[in-house]
Amino acid sequence: NAGVMQNPRHLVRRRGQEARLRCSPMKGHSHVYWYRQLPEEGLKFMVYLQKENIIDESGMPKERFSAEFPKEGPSILRIQQVVRGDSAAYFCASSPLPQRESSYNSPLHFGNGTRLTVT
Amino acid sequence: DAKTTQPTSMDCAEGRAANLPCNHSTISGNEYVYWYRQIHSQGPQYIIHGLKNNETNEMASLIITEDRKSSTLILPHATLRDTAVYYCIVRGYNQGGKLIFGQGTELSVKP
Repeated sequence: NAGVMQNPRHLVRRRGQEARLRCSPMKGHSHVYWYRQLPEEGLKFMVYLQKENIIDESGMPKERFSAEFPKEGPSILRIQQVVRGDSAAYFCASSPLPQRESSYNSPLHFGNGTRLTVT
Repeated sequence: DAKTTQPTSMDCAEGRAANLPCNHSTISGNEYVYWYRQIHSQGPQYIIHGLKNNETNEMASLIITEDRKSSTLILPHATLRDTAVYYCIVRGYNQGGKLIFGQGTELSVKP
C-alpha cells in the first residue's frame, strides 16, 4: 500500500508568490490533516478536512492560508503572497475515520512533507 | 488538555534497550497515549498507542502505569537508526481528536 504522498518535496518561492502543496492520502482514507514545522520548532496543527469539508481550522493563520480536499484529487494547502516566515516543512497526515471517540484508537499516518523555502 | 512531560534528551548504547518515559498526570479516562518519532525532519512515524493495557508490536512496547499517569516506551534493542525525536501524545475528545505535539525526547543511540 502506498503511504501518504506529498508533493513537491521541495518548493522554492519568491516573496509575494503563491505556494500550492499537495497531499494524496493513503488509499481508503478520506480525512486529512495538515501540520507545519518551523525551523528548529515542533509540529503545529493547522487544519483537518474531510472530503469537501473543513472540519477544524483552528490552527490556520487567518490570512493568506487556505486548504481544500475536493471530492476527486488530492488535498491542497495554498499559501498566497508568501513571506519569509512561511518557510517551513508542511506535513500531511491521513486517517480512514472521522474524528469521534470511536476513531481515537486509529492512528494517523504522515507523509514526508514539503519543504517550502521563501527567498 | 492533558499535557505530557518528557525528558529533553537521552542517550542509549546500540543494542541495549531504550526506555523513554512520559508523564501525563492529567489524562482522562477515554484518552489514548500515542507515541510517534521523527527521524531527521522526515514525517512523523507512528510507533504504538494504548489506552490502559500494555501493548507490544514489531517496533516497541508500551507500558502504561495502572493509574495511567505515566508511560514508558521501550525499544528493546536500539540501533543507530532509532536515533530520532520521540513524541508522547495524549489523544482524545479534549484535543478534538487531533495529535498535539510537544517538544519530545531527542534519543541518541551511540555505537
